Amino acid sequence: AQKITQTQPGMFVQEKEAVTLDCTYDTSDQSYGLFWYKQPSSGEMIFLIYQGSYDEQNATEGRYSLNFQKARKSANLVISASQLGDSAMYFCAMREKYVNGGATNKLIFGTGTLLAVQP
Amino acid sequence: NAGVTQTPKFRVLKTGQSMTLLCAQDMNHEYMYWYRQDPGMGLRLIHYSVGEGTTAKGEVPDGYNVSRLKKQNFLLGLESAAPSQTSVYFCASRAPTGFHGYTFGSGTRLTVV
Repeated sequence: AQKITQTQPGMFVQEKEAVTLDCTYDTSDQSYGLFWYKQPSSGEMIFLIYQGSYDEQNATEGRYSLNFQKARKSANLVISASQLGDSAMYFCAMREKYVNGGATNKLIFGTGTLLAVQP
Repeated sequence: NAGVTQTPKFRVLKTGQSMTLLCAQDMNHEYMYWYRQDPGMGLRLIHYSVGEGTTAKGEVPDGYNVSRLKKQNFLLGLESAAPSQTSVYFCASRAPTGFHGYTFGSGTRLTVV
């Protein structure tokens, strides 16, 4: 079964510093997608970044980059120049495209990392 | 505004009561999902639908039922609520193509006492 593992329940980072949030995944599929979502204290789920399993370049979106190491099955999120507004829960997720030959496109989530940015 | 709307946003139920959570999307998305979020456990999939008239079980389906009679609506039912169903419920939808096509609702906070 597909699984996402986030081993850091909580992280602290100083404002303006970079931080890496870890994510490892387990799948037997050749084609899959990896996502990172941010959930601030207000509760909404905010999409940050996506990496496809066949993408050769690491994905980047502004201050967010995804360090994709396919052989190690890791998809770590790097936030550069942290801001106070980055304090939130961060979820790594993987898309499971098919189950028993039928398309499902289910998102499987990790347990999350709570990031606190300190001034 | 286009998106996913969940109603209600908050609800308190007594053990044994029933209720229905409504998820409505106006983006003509085929795929719809119901998740529950509990502290330390991330989001877990309850049920999902790959199109109008279809439903399937997810990771934690026990105690819930769903229906997708219309493409834009995905209903989550609790027939006899239990305290273990106290959670935040999220609905999401996705278009058939597009890698970041998941749109989430704002969530429903349900407390069962």
